[in-house]
Amino acid sequence: QKEVEQDPGPLSVPEGAIVSLNCTYSNSAFQYFMWYRQYSRKGPELLMYTYSSGNKEDGRFTAQVDKSSKYISLFIRDSQPSDSATYLCAMSDRGSTLGRLYFGRGTQLTVWP
Amino acid sequence: DVKVTQSSRYLVKRTGEKVFLECVQDMDHENMFWYRQDPGLGLRLIYFSYDVKMKEKGDIPEGYSVSREKKERFSLILESASTNQTSMYLCASSSTLRQVTDTQYFGPGTRLTVL
Repeated sequence: QKEVEQDPGPLSVPEGAIVSLNCTYSNSAFQYFMWYRQYSRKGPELLMYTYSSGNKEDGRFTAQVDKSSKYISLFIRDSQPSDSATYLCAMSDRGSTLGRLYFGRGTQLTVWP
Repeated sequence: DVKVTQSSRYLVKRTGEKVFLECVQDMDHENMFWYRQDPGLGLRLIYFSYDVKMKEKGDIPEGYSVSREKKERFSLILESASTNQTSMYLCASSSTLRQVTDTQYFGPGTRLTVL
């Protein structure tokens, strides 16, 4: 069993829809949670970073962490065609600057106009 | 801005060739990583390094080696390339000295095809 599970999709939604992306994990030591966005033919870029449990909001994006269920989510409100990308969850027990990250497989999202 | 560059965007090699993939970062980061990315498998860590001349195996080190002679440069070596090493290779770096909430910065990737 992989330490981080993520449904690869693909996910296709109309413009303006609310998108929900999810990951589950097995290692209870994870406490740093990240979402990366990767456009086609580019490297991943950090989108959201959450420490421990709770919610974090940044514009149209909301990241949620439920450590009791070992479940994290990324919500995209009012989705736009420019949000079309692969979204990767990542997590760590020591933070991305002190140790390695564990990545999900990535979910491919297409937002059509 | 942090910049991570990789020597080639696209590379085509033949089975059995020795292949060098180069990665350079310009922000004096201590940590550097090599991943490969395949459809349906996501990012898998091959090797990483916390300091010059130091290296640690990731999840899939077989068939690969690495070299870090200078802080800014981390090389991935395929001693004898095989077709199952056809993949997208991504390099990343991060700084131990930054806040723990800082990120890993990725290069644009090298698409390697082994014929």
